[in-house]
Amino acid sequence: DQQVKQNSPSLSVQEGRISILNCDYTNSMFDYFLWYKKYPAEGPTFLISISSIKDKNEDGRFTVFLNKSAKHLSLHIVPSQPGDSAVYFCAAAARRNTDKLIFGTGTRLQVFP
Amino acid sequence: DAGVIQSPRHEVTEMGQEVTLRCKPISGHDYLFWYRQTMMRGLELLIYFNNNVPIDDSGMPEDRFSAKMPNASFSTLKIQPSEPRDSAVYFCASSLNKMGTDTQYFGPGTRLTVL
Repeated sequence: DQQVKQNSPSLSVQEGRISILNCDYTNSMFDYFLWYKKYPAEGPTFLISISSIKDKNEDGRFTVFLNKSAKHLSLHIVPSQPGDSAVYFCAAAARRNTDKLIFGTGTRLQVFP
Repeated sequence: DAGVIQSPRHEVTEMGQEVTLRCKPISGHDYLFWYRQTMMRGLELLIYFNNNVPIDDSGMPEDRFSAKMPNASFSTLKIQPSEPRDSAVYFCASSLNKMGTDTQYFGPGTRLTVL
């Protein structure tokens, strides 16, 4: 049973436009959320995170939004660049109970010129 | 620091053979995680250690899988006997302290193919 779901396996966006990647979760105990980026033949690398006490966190071109009532988060990339082409994983954790992250299945983003 | 080191990078073996994957975490990191990546299930946590002690192995698929961490700088994931459905990319990750105050650093992965 997937507790963290990324329903779009792929997304294609033109350079300079906004990329929006979505993630849904089912476990109401999750209180910390992260996005990781993965290039081919490399391990995932941390991108941005958000705690459940916030509804938005911004880092340069990357912004994560959290809607706790909908159990939904999204990653916005503005403007998108070809170097952003990668697989993006959403992850969640219930920090009070455990040290482990639960990952989604990933969304492959392609940014074309 | 060189980051998390995994070996081998690629492994091709035949069904029934024993496979051992190796990981060297970042020095000083207290946590070590083993993940498996497949198209259908994404990144699945198999097991994690804290200070060399296994904390949660609920993600280990079955008894054919075992993991050890004999010291702070080395861990192994063993599959015996291997089966074609074990084919996947296996990642090792480490983190400095309790997750939430730090992030996990992943190795480059081992691509396992079981024929």
